[in-house]
Amino acid sequence: GQQLNQSPQSMFIQEGEDVSMNCTSSSIFNTWLWYKQDPGEGPVLLIALYKAGELTSNGRLTAQFGITRKDSFLNISASIPSDVGIYFCAGYYNTDKLIFGTGTRLQVFP
Amino acid sequence: DAGVIQSPRHEVTEMGQEVTLRCKPISGHDYLFWYRQTMMRGLELLIYFNNNVPIDDSGMPEDRFSAKMPNASFSTLKIQPSEPRDSAVYFCASSLAGQGNQPQHFGDGTRLSIL
Repeated sequence: GQQLNQSPQSMFIQEGEDVSMNCTSSSIFNTWLWYKQDPGEGPVLLIALYKAGELTSNGRLTAQFGITRKDSFLNISASIPSDVGIYFCAGYYNTDKLIFGTGTRLQVFP
Repeated sequence: DAGVIQSPRHEVTEMGQEVTLRCKPISGHDYLFWYRQTMMRGLELLIYFNNNVPIDDSGMPEDRFSAKMPNASFSTLKIQPSEPRDSAVYFCASSLAGQGNQPQHFGDGTRLSIL
């Protein structure tokens, strides 16, 4: 079935650094979503993207819908300890089913 | 606004017992999804409903799993009989209707342990 390739799998960074992660697909997607999951909780929506080329920010987070519609990236600027968690990309391509990436585990050291 | 509400948050039971997980979607949402999350397999879609009607249950592992949505504000996922390999975190999510583009909003999950 359809899969999303998300990278990197994990990141260990120092507080204050910027972070970048991305998601790629072999198919064209209509919508890209980025979620964050904290331990013991459900995924929480961070940013939703609906058009190719769209660039959207949410505080220190910025995400873009790739021009080819086959990729998306998420940037976090000036990371802080509470950014720790697992970040998932997800997207719809031609059904009501949301396809998830495998996640990027972010660890921030003070 | 209240988000998706799941209960119980944790369930520990012995194999062979019946397990029932509950979900209250966000009011006004037309779609409801049940997922299972494990370290090995990540997030797996089990089944989803549109306007209380099951649309796709191809992700349900086997006949021991069943799901119902008797009304727009309540859904259950039942496992009978339960087995240790069913241990996982089960999430419910809901969304508005759309052309396959509406964000899904997740509950905090039920952590299920089958001994």
